[in-house]
Amino acid sequence: GESVGLHLPTLSVQEGDNSIINCAYSNSASDYFIWYKQESGKGPQFIIDIRSNMDKRQGQRVTVLLNKTVKHLSLQIAATQPGDSAVYFCAENPASGGSYIPTFGRGTSLIVHP
Amino acid sequence: DGGITQSPKYLFRKEGQNVTLSCEQNLNHDAMYWYRQDPGQGLRLIYYSQIVNDFQKGDIAEGYSVSREKKESFPLTVTSAQKNPTAFYLCASRPRAGTTDTQYFGPGTRLTVL
Repeated sequence: GESVGLHLPTLSVQEGDNSIINCAYSNSASDYFIWYKQESGKGPQFIIDIRSNMDKRQGQRVTVLLNKTVKHLSLQIAATQPGDSAVYFCAENPASGGSYIPTFGRGTSLIVHP
Repeated sequence: DGGITQSPKYLFRKEGQNVTLSCEQNLNHDAMYWYRQDPGQGLRLIYYSQIVNDFQKGDIAEGYSVSREKKESFPLTVTSAQKNPTAFYLCASRPRAGTTDTQYFGPGTRLTVL
């Protein structure tokens, strides 16, 4: 079946560095993608989303890039802070299907060292 | 966490017991979802409901049951038939059913079988 996966399970960075978290998806019919941040013991929080008609979208300190040619999604965090330490995972939503159930990746653990 | 609440935060169950996890939302969202999260794995869908008094099985519904008697409430019962229930359970809601609207998550309930 179709799946969403992450290239790296753990990413360690120094405070102030930029972080890049990657996600590969296999369903070419997906047209809406979301990045979530999940802190330990808490529910996932929405960070940023992007639709398939866009290549890039920016938020506050975060940027999502979508490369539909290679089915790749990335989350860039600028000037990473210790508070950014969490698990980040992507979700893809199909373009069709009555229930539009998203598929979630396993997540990448981001560790920010002070 | 928005307007989605889950209770209790921690729950302990003895083998052979049924337990019910609460999920309430005051966002007036149509659709609600239950996911199970295990270490190192992506979210797995248990049940979802797009409208009051209607719900559908997800990928891992065996050993679980739900009800949707009110729009704002979607309780999940973990029955004794669920052989490995220890996990982190997440409830989510979505503004409109049958769309790719973003899902918003509650804070989660950690269930441990003693």
